[in-house]
Amino acid sequence: KNQVEQSPQSLIILEGKNCTLQCNYTVSPFSNLRWYKQDTGRGPVSLTIMTFSENTKSNGRYTATLDADTKQSSLHITASQLSDSASYICVVSGPHFGNEKLTFGTGTRLTIIP
Amino acid sequence: KAGVTQTPRYLIKTRGQQVTLSCSPISGHRSVSWYQQTPGQGLQFLFEYFSETQRNKGNFPGRFSGRQFSNSRSEMNVSTLELGDSALYLCASSFRQGASSGNTIYFGEGSWLTVV
Repeated sequence: KNQVEQSPQSLIILEGKNCTLQCNYTVSPFSNLRWYKQDTGRGPVSLTIMTFSENTKSNGRYTATLDADTKQSSLHITASQLSDSASYICVVSGPHFGNEKLTFGTGTRLTIIP
Repeated sequence: KAGVTQTPRYLIKTRGQQVTLSCSPISGHRSVSWYQQTPGQGLQFLFEYFSETQRNKGNFPGRFSGRQFSNSRSEMNVSTLELGDSALYLCASSFRQGASSGNTIYFGEGSWLTVV
């Protein structure tokens, strides 16, 4: 069964510190992996999209890495800000009977404290 | 340009009633997909429409249905509501069908449905 597991479930860090969120998946075959940021009560916003041939992709203070061999991805946040407090969702796409199927992780809830 | 617009933002319904949610995609986008988000299950795919045709469907009962109009606007309907249908319903739009790497999916703010 295709699954996406994220860790930790929740994380609290001080403003200005760095942190890394993990995503492990079993989706196969694999097309691409996305990271989304979702503020409380809002819709998810795309941070990065990576294909199997990409090892790293950055979006400002957010850097995603992908190891397609071990089926692991991480999202690194540098110099965290209060506005980074949100849920971060890992989404893996794979072909499924002629379509692309998205499998969602349940997210990591990140809280930045001053 | 305007983002994905969903209405209503909040609604409360009684068990057994039905509900219709509306989604206006980003201008020029022809693909609209719907998702249910609950604290325990996370985001789950409901269905995707492209050019007024349902192209992909998740594992939800037939009480959940949708349609897309010629202007790409979409509606989602849930009949015979159950308490477990309480969730945030998210609509997303994209230029192309599917989730290929070059196809960024943009989400709306969602419609919060509470069934009592």
